[in-house]
Amino acid sequence: KAGVTQTPRYLIKTRGQQVTLSCSPISGHRSVSWYQQTPGQGLQFLFEYFSETQRNKGNFPGRFSGRQFSNSRSEMNVSTLELGDSALYLCASSLESGHHMNTEAFFGQGTRLTVV
Amino acid sequence: AQKITQTQPGMFVQEKEAVTLDCTYDTSDQSYGLFWYKQPSSGEMIFLIYQGSYDEQNATEGRYSLNFQKARKSANLVISASQLGDSAMYFCAMREGFQNTGRRALTFGSGTRLQVQP
Repeated sequence: KAGVTQTPRYLIKTRGQQVTLSCSPISGHRSVSWYQQTPGQGLQFLFEYFSETQRNKGNFPGRFSGRQFSNSRSEMNVSTLELGDSALYLCASSLESGHHMNTEAFFGQGTRLTVV
Repeated sequence: AQKITQTQPGMFVQEKEAVTLDCTYDTSDQSYGLFWYKQPSSGEMIFLIYQGSYDEQNATEGRYSLNFQKARKSANLVISASQLGDSAMYFCAMREGFQNTGRRALTFGSGTRLQVQP
């Protein structure tokens, strides 16, 4: 069974550009969450999608957006990149999004974005 | 206030010995879940163990066990018989309960870097 796949693994962009990251969840998983990891701020929640709907959103500016497709694959987009957006972006998939506290999240290897 | 506190930025342990990684949490919810993840240098977050707030027994998964002390709001990870491959960052995380708005995201601690020495 394939795990969570994130592409690309590494990305270098220039300030002001935009970027799109992709995440393919584990087959059958309908919930996809995105996290940003930086040395200074640690792991921070960006948003969660379930069945193509954004169910939850973290405290990030509107430059950060995402979507989920009918096959549960998700993309996140960052527009007008800033140096501070340099981070490891992790995607996690879960079997379901509901009243289950112990739904473990399986993470991908992340996309390391560097903004120069 | 920090939701998840990991007070040990770094830990050393000798191979084959046990080690405890500390985690305290803060929530007013009655229903919540606590998780531990391992992050090797490759970046992937690997799920290790889960403890529910209503679980009466401490969770165990192979060499990993979770020392859950609800009144103290602590959820320490115990790794028995450490191996060189256990060297990594370890994150404690919490998923809080919900009222009517659905499941909330994972909140992570700042992590503990564990180094296993031969």
